[in-house]
Amino acid sequence: SYELTQSPSVSVSPGQTASINCSGDALPDQNVYWYQQRPGQAPVLVIYKDVERPSGIPERFSGSTSGTTVTLTISGVQAEDEADYYCQSVDRTSSYVIFGEGTKLTVL
Amino acid sequence: QVQLQESGPGLVKPSETLSLTCSVSGGSMSPYYWSWIRQAPGKGLEWIGYTFYSGRMDHNPSLRSRVTMSQDTSKRQFSLTLKSVTAADTAVYFCARVNRKGGMDVWGKGTTVTVSS
Repeated sequence: SYELTQSPSVSVSPGQTASINCSGDALPDQNVYWYQQRPGQAPVLVIYKDVERPSGIPERFSGSTSGTTVTLTISGVQAEDEADYYCQSVDRTSSYVIFGEGTKLTVL
Repeated sequence: QVQLQESGPGLVKPSETLSLTCSVSGGSMSPYYWSWIRQAPGKGLEWIGYTFYSGRMDHNPSLRSRVTMSQDTSKRQFSLTLKSVTAADTAVYFCARVNRKGGMDVWGKGTTVTVSS
């Protein structure tokens, strides 16, 4: 079955750049969506279709792709960015929704 | 501004049926997909299934035949039924709208369901 792989954790100091990766064999052919989930809250869509940013999401959030890996980059990380981040895609053959395991971003 | 609100019992006994409803306010149900996602304590997000305003539905195969979804566009509600629950079904259950670009752009706050006798 189709899987998305994320590193469990990333740590950065305030003001630095955080990069969160998501890998999957089918990613070159499928869109990826990124969600931010703060503790006790519902997820929030921060990137759609690999690189697009919804209105209201700060410009420091950006997405990029390279082969079977997509990356969420947070430039100038702030304390409020500390959260879990999930990538999500769709299985091309079944249309099932798939989430990565999530990456915990810690702001030191 | 579209808002979603989950509702249902917070406690369900093992082997019984879990039923949740998501109410949509501030917008129409068409032409969107409407999804259910859950999150077990300390775990990641798990997609349960989705329903389209036209009636098309699909669900996570890992839940096999235990899942049923429905929608009532006149009431602007969609529902989830999960049969034969076990402790493994204890989770926060979210409903979400899937927008035209494919992302889940509106989420409910989530409702906690505990399976316990």
